[in-house]
Amino acid sequence: EDQVTQSPEALRLQEGESSSLNCSYTVSGLRGLFWYRQDPGKGPEFLFTLYSAGEEKEKERLKATLTKKESFLHITAPKPEDSATYLCAVQDDYKLSFGAGTTVTVRA
Amino acid sequence: GAGVSQSPSNKVTEKGKDVELRCDPISGHTALYWYRQSLGQGLEFLIYFQGNSAPDKSGLPSDRFSAERTGGSVSTLTIQRTQQEDSAVYLCASSLGGSGTGQFFGPGTRLTVL
Repeated sequence: EDQVTQSPEALRLQEGESSSLNCSYTVSGLRGLFWYRQDPGKGPEFLFTLYSAGEEKEKERLKATLTKKESFLHITAPKPEDSATYLCAVQDDYKLSFGAGTTVTVRA
Repeated sequence: GAGVSQSPSNKVTEKGKDVELRCDPISGHTALYWYRQSLGQGLEFLIYFQGNSAPDKSGLPSDRFSAERTGGSVSTLTIQRTQQEDSAVYLCASSLGGSGTGQFFGPGTRLTVL
């Protein structure tokens, strides 16, 4: 059974204070690792898909990286609008198996 | 273009009643998924539709849950004889294909069973 563990559960940052979120996973055959952002009361918003170890993707202040056992989401110089819950999910066929998420709060 | 839409956004029902939740996927997306997000738990897969193939119902928690997809587009998730443990946010997602393609989520339906 696929397993996804995210850490930390919560992260409080000062505006401009860069940090990283971790997603550790076990999956029989990785078809993709997905990062989503979820704001309160809304559905998850797609950010990135990573397919193979060594791959990196960037979007504004976010950068996702992938190894054979984990993925990192780096937040560079965060702003208050980056506050959200970040979800990691793995796909070994078509369905996604999600981690519990990391809730990021960025203070001005 | 329009994203995934779901209705209603909120549903409050009494224990034992039946409810229907609707999902309109992104136009052209052949794959459609239902997930459930309960307080304190992660997103949980429920069911998957791909084109005209038989759906994967392996995530449905009980036989009170069923779903259909008409004409390869709109989907309805039905919960019969609702129980309090069914209270959750029900999320629908669609994608261009199945494996390896990004899934785009709707805003969800928050179901509260009293």
